[in-house]
Parts: sequence; structure tokens; C-alpha cells
Amino acid sequence: DAGITQSPRHKVTETGTPVTLRCHQTENHRYMYWYRQDPGHGLRLIHYSYGVKDTDKGEVSDGYSVSRSKTEDFLLTLESATSSQTSVYFCATAVGEVSYEQYFGPGTRLTVT
Amino acid sequence: AQSVTQLGSHVSVSEGALVLLRCNYSSSVPPYLFWYVQYPNQGLQLLLKYTSAATLVKGINGFEAEFKKSETSFHLTKPSAHMSDAAEYFCAVSPSFYGGSQGNLIFGKGTKLSVKP
Repeated sequence: DAGITQSPRHKVTETGTPVTLRCHQTENHRYMYWYRQDPGHGLRLIHYSYGVKDTDKGEVSDGYSVSRSKTEDFLLTLESATSSQTSVYFCATAVGEVSYEQYFGPGTRLTVT
Repeated sequence: AQSVTQLGSHVSVSEGALVLLRCNYSSSVPPYLFWYVQYPNQGLQLLLKYTSAATLVKGINGFEAEFKKSETSFHLTKPSAHMSDAAEYFCAVSPSFYGGSQGNLIFGKGTKLSVKP
């Protein structure tokens, strides 16, 4: 258990509304990641961070933005939610160059109606 | 570019039987390879990892995997399935951080394992 919490755990929102998901870690890991999980697609990387204020895009970043103002928090924002963003969102962390494995949070199930 | 192929989206075995979940990868640099397990409504948990040490890797819950460079494979096995092994399993690949990847993982699409009594 890498001390990762995600909030909220479940959310239902309407198309066009902004949504922010929060990932909080207590392990002081340098790297943090946001994935989405959809049936038949596995996990796909949305954005990642390699330090405070250092972020970059992943495979499916369109429609998403991120921010990391503190080591322990990584926020994912859907500026204007669409039904195609209905998914389960996972946050993960990694120590970095010393250890390559990623540790995952419990996930947030987002439904956009 | 790295990629991962998991053969079989669903695998069903009887309790006590051998579990074999297949994973093939492609990578332009020496890869790091991982198997994760996901139980219903939970996050992913690391089962085992290969990071260029021993080619036979032992993980938790009696699982192991063998890295075969010539076959670009990293299949997951367990000699005797237990009901509690029913879950979805994901294979993932990452080039080393020295490849400039920032440790990103590329996941396969997953294999759902069912265990029959």
C-alpha cells in the first residue's frame, strides 16, 4: 500500500460541467500518473508528472488538464465533461529512477450523463 | 515504440489446474516488465516485475513469470489455481528511465481469469 487516496470515489456529472479529480499520496514519490480504464482498452495514460509543476501529456490527453502544486497532490481536470469521458480513473505513483514499479490508488468511477 | 499483447481476453481454469496467462511485448530498448492483478472494484496490485536480473521472476500468491528475450514473451504462470485467483491480470512494459520515458507503463488490454470449482 503506497498511501494513495483518490477523491471522490464515485461521481455522476452532466455533460458540459467541469470536474476535478484529486490524487493524494503520502510516500513522497516523485512521479505521479493519471490513467483511464475502459473495457477492451486496458489502462491508458492521460497525463503524468515528474515533479512539482512539471507535467506532460500521455496517450489520451485531449480534454484533460492536470496540475501539481505540491509533491503529494496531483489533480486531473475535465474542463467540460463529455459522455466519452465516462470511465474509471486511476492515479499511480512511482519512486523514479531507483524503482520502476507503479503503485495504484483505488480509482474514481466517473459517469457523465 | 513499446507495446504489449495479451493473448486471450478471458481464460477459464479449474481449481487446482495450471494457470498460464500469455504476454508478448515489443520494445526498442531493454524493457522492464510487470504483471499486475486487479480484483473487482479495486486498483491494480503489483504481482511481480522483471528488471534485467534473473529471467525467472517469482511474485506474490505463488505466481511466477519467465522473461524470454528470443520469444519477446513474459508469460505468467501458477502451478495450481485457487478460487481467490479469479481477477483480471495486466501485463505492462516500460523502457528504463534512462531511455527518457519517465517511467511510463504501457499496458496490455488485460486477461480476465475465471476459476471453476
